[in-house]
This record gives sequence, structure tokens and C-alpha cells, in this order.
Amino acid sequence: AQSVTQPDIHITVSEGASLELRCNYSYGATPYLFWYVQSPGQGLQLLLKYFSGDTLVQGIKGFEAEFKRSQSSFNLRKPSVHWSDAAEYFCAVGFISSGSARQLTFGSGTQLTVLP
Amino acid sequence: GAGVSQSPSNKVTEKGKDVELRCDPISGHTALYWYRQSLGQGLEFLIYFQGNSAPDKSGLPSDRFSAERTGGSVSTLTIQRTQQEDSAVYLCASSRTGQGHGYTFGSGTRLTVV
Repeated sequence: AQSVTQPDIHITVSEGASLELRCNYSYGATPYLFWYVQSPGQGLQLLLKYFSGDTLVQGIKGFEAEFKRSQSSFNLRKPSVHWSDAAEYFCAVGFISSGSARQLTFGSGTQLTVLP
Repeated sequence: GAGVSQSPSNKVTEKGKDVELRCDPISGHTALYWYRQSLGQGLEFLIYFQGNSAPDKSGLPSDRFSAERTGGSVSTLTIQRTQQEDSAVYLCASSRTGQGHGYTFGSGTRLTVV
């Protein structure tokens, strides 16, 4: 069964600093990979996704993520964090089984705090 | 509609009562998913619909939980004889042809069992 690990439960960065949120997955083939963001009291918003092709994926709000097959990782990055980026971030993995789509498996999330 | 709509946004119920949570997906999205998010936890998969059928019910935690979807659109998640451990945010998501396109999530229903 596939699994997703976000090793950092909580990260604190200063506004303007760079950010990297880690995500590792366990799956036998190349999965579909996603990053979502959840602000307090809100649902989850898709930041970016990877299916195939270029391993560096650009998303909304200035985020990017890089798929590294050799490390089974899909880390999320942003060069300069804004106070409004404070939220919880979820990595997710999905796959196709027997020709039909299946549900996403989510990591446990990383809470980002941004200091002024 | 423009987004995934869930109702109610908040529900407080007494232990032992039944509750119904509603999800109205984006028009044309054939796949619909229910997840549960407990305090400080990640998202726990509950059930997945493709059209009106549910090929994957593996995440339903007990037989007190059931869900249906009619007309390939609105879905209802029903919890019978609610328990305090059912308290959580219940999130619904939809997608066009299954998860390959990524989900669009609703804002969730916060269920509190007292």
C-alpha cells in the first residue's frame, strides 16, 4: 500500500526567508503527486501537481516542487515566504489501479508559522 | 456550482443521534470523495464514488457510517448513533475523471458530538 511521510510536523520561518517542506512517498511505481494548503477553517486548496514530464513543477502563490524518483521525494519550495503563507500543508499521492482511479493518500501535514 | 458545497458548515449533536452531512460537487465532476480530518491529524479516506456507485468503501470506520450519491451529483454521508470519537471535520472533494486531475475540496462540515 502506498504511504506518504511528512517528517516535519511544524516549521517556523521568518517572512522573506526561503522555505522547503519535505515529502516522501512509498509506492512501487511513479504515482501522481500533489501539494495542498489548508488555511484555518477552510478546505484544502491545490497548490500544484505532478503527473509526468518535467520534474520541477510550478504552482500557484509562487510555490514549486521537485520530483526526485531516486529519493522518492516531492519537496515543496518557495524562495521568499509571505506572512499569508502561514497554514497547514499536505502532500498527497495517488495512483491508477486496474485502469480506474483511486483515492489520494495524504501525509499528516506540516504546520507553517511565519514570523514577522 | 462554482465550487464544492458542503452543508451544514457546523453541526453539534448529542451522542446517540443520527446526522446527515451533504456534499454538492462541482457540476460535471464524476468522482466524489469523503475524508475525515480529526484534530491534529491528517486526512482519513472514508469513501469514493464514481458516478452513483461506490467502488471503494474501505475507509468507512464502522457500519454506523454510510453514504449515497444520487443522480451522479449530491452525496450524503450518514452517521448513525453518533459517538464522541466521530467528532471531526468531514471534507468532501470532487474531480473530473478520478483523482488524476487532483481534487477540489469543499470547506467541510465540523461535527461535534457532545
